[in-house]
Amino acid sequence: GQNIDQPTEMTATEGAIVQINCTYQTSGFNGLFWYQQHAGEAPTFLSYNVLDGLEEKGRFSSFLSRSKGYSYLLLKELQMKDSASYLCAVREDTGFQKLVFGTGTRLLVSP
Amino acid sequence: DVKVTQSSRYLVKRTGEKVFLECVQDMDHENMFWYRQDPGLGLRLIYFSYDVKMKEKGDIPEGYSVSREKKERFSLILESASTNQTSMYLCASNTRVLGETQYFGPGTRLLVL
Repeated sequence: GQNIDQPTEMTATEGAIVQINCTYQTSGFNGLFWYQQHAGEAPTFLSYNVLDGLEEKGRFSSFLSRSKGYSYLLLKELQMKDSASYLCAVREDTGFQKLVFGTGTRLLVSP
Repeated sequence: DVKVTQSSRYLVKRTGEKVFLECVQDMDHENMFWYRQDPGLGLRLIYFSYDVKMKEKGDIPEGYSVSREKKERFSLILESASTNQTSMYLCASNTRVLGETQYFGPGTRLLVL
């Protein structure tokens, strides 16, 4: 079966650090994506992990542990514009580039 | 810059109407996808296509069909719209390169009355 879990909502303060967790149980695994989605807009790509470890990209980092079925997205130096939903998506190990999405984590950054 | 466009941002239809949602990408992508997004349920895959005239069912294909006559265009068809198809519909595309992200269109918010 397919199961991807993320917290529904998180709050944080401007300038702080927040970690959004994602755990997955899928029929196969061929990479994990994180997307950002502002209200009423399309998801935009943030990061991709296929090997264990940390990928850093400016204020955003993403971590993957395949043995634990676990990933997190780390956002540093939070800004008001980071208020958005963050979607975790797993690429299954099929011949097609299908993604299975979690329900998303809504992050609210307050002043 | 990758561009994925959808024919309408907002659409209001009546129950029983036939509805066409169009998606066009300008990057010569092989793969195209249709999702719907509902609060608390996330993005769910309706159909996808990996080549012209090819289509595969996603997780929730019931009540929908698709058409891909040209590489750049992928259409989602609601043969007889129902109120439970009120949703945000998102189109996406990418190449077959391993690890490439999907690029999303702006979405169509469909209301079925």
